[in-house]
Amino acid sequence: GESVGLHLPTLSVQEGDNSIINCAYSNSASDYFIWYKQESGKGPQFIIDIRSNMDKRQGQRVTVLLNKTVKHLSLQIAATQPGDSAVYFCAENMGSGGYNKLIFGAGTRLAVHP
Amino acid sequence: GAVVSQHPSWVICKSGTSVKIECRSLDFQATTMFWYRQFPKQSLMLMATSNEGSKATYEQGVEKDKFLINHASLTLSTLTVTSAHPEDSSFYICSASPRLAGGLETQYFGPGTRLLVL
Repeated sequence: GESVGLHLPTLSVQEGDNSIINCAYSNSASDYFIWYKQESGKGPQFIIDIRSNMDKRQGQRVTVLLNKTVKHLSLQIAATQPGDSAVYFCAENMGSGGYNKLIFGAGTRLAVHP
Repeated sequence: GAVVSQHPSWVICKSGTSVKIECRSLDFQATTMFWYRQFPKQSLMLMATSNEGSKATYEQGVEKDKFLINHASLTLSTLTVTSAHPEDSSFYICSASPRLAGGLETQYFGPGTRLLVL
C-alpha cells in the first residue's frame, strides 16, 4: 500500500560490517522491485532491481533477496562503508502489462559508524 | 548513462505566485515521466504520471488544476505549482523511464527541487 511513514527506522552498523535492510511489500501481484539510496537533499539513486521470477540478484557489494511467499524484500550491503550512510527505500511496481508505477516503502536510515 | 536533471534545484517564492520546475532526461528518451513530492523524513509520494504528448494521470488527492504538468517532448516534463501556498513547500522530485521495447522500465530520478513558499 501507500507509504506514509513519519519516523524512519534506523539501522546502525560498524564500518566493515555487513548490513541487511528489510522491506515488506503489499501487493502480491507486483512483478518488479527496486532498491534506491537517497542521501540528504538529493534524489533517489538506483541501486539494484529484481524481477518477480527471481529470488536473488547480486551487484557490486549489494545483494537483493526476494521472498514472494511472505512478500519480503531485503538489501544486503557487504563491507559497509561510511559513504553508504543514507536512507534506503524499496519500491514495488504496481503496474500491470509493463506499466510502470512505483510505490515506495517507508524507508530505512542506515548509519555507518567508524 | 540514465541521467535526469531538474531545474531549479531550489526556489523561494511568495504565497500566491506560480513556480515552474523542469525535468529533463539528458541521455535517453523518456516514454514516461513521474512527479513525486517528499516531506521531511517521509517517503516519496507519487503525484502524477505523464506520458509524452498526452494528459497526465494524477494520483488521488492531487489537484490537477494546481499542479499543472506538461510533457511536450521525450526529454522534458514540467510541473507548475500554481498559486503556491506555504503548505506546498516540499521537495519535488521527478523521474523518467527510458523508452524500451517491451519489458519493465526502471525509473531514474532527478536531484529534486526544494520549494519554499513564504
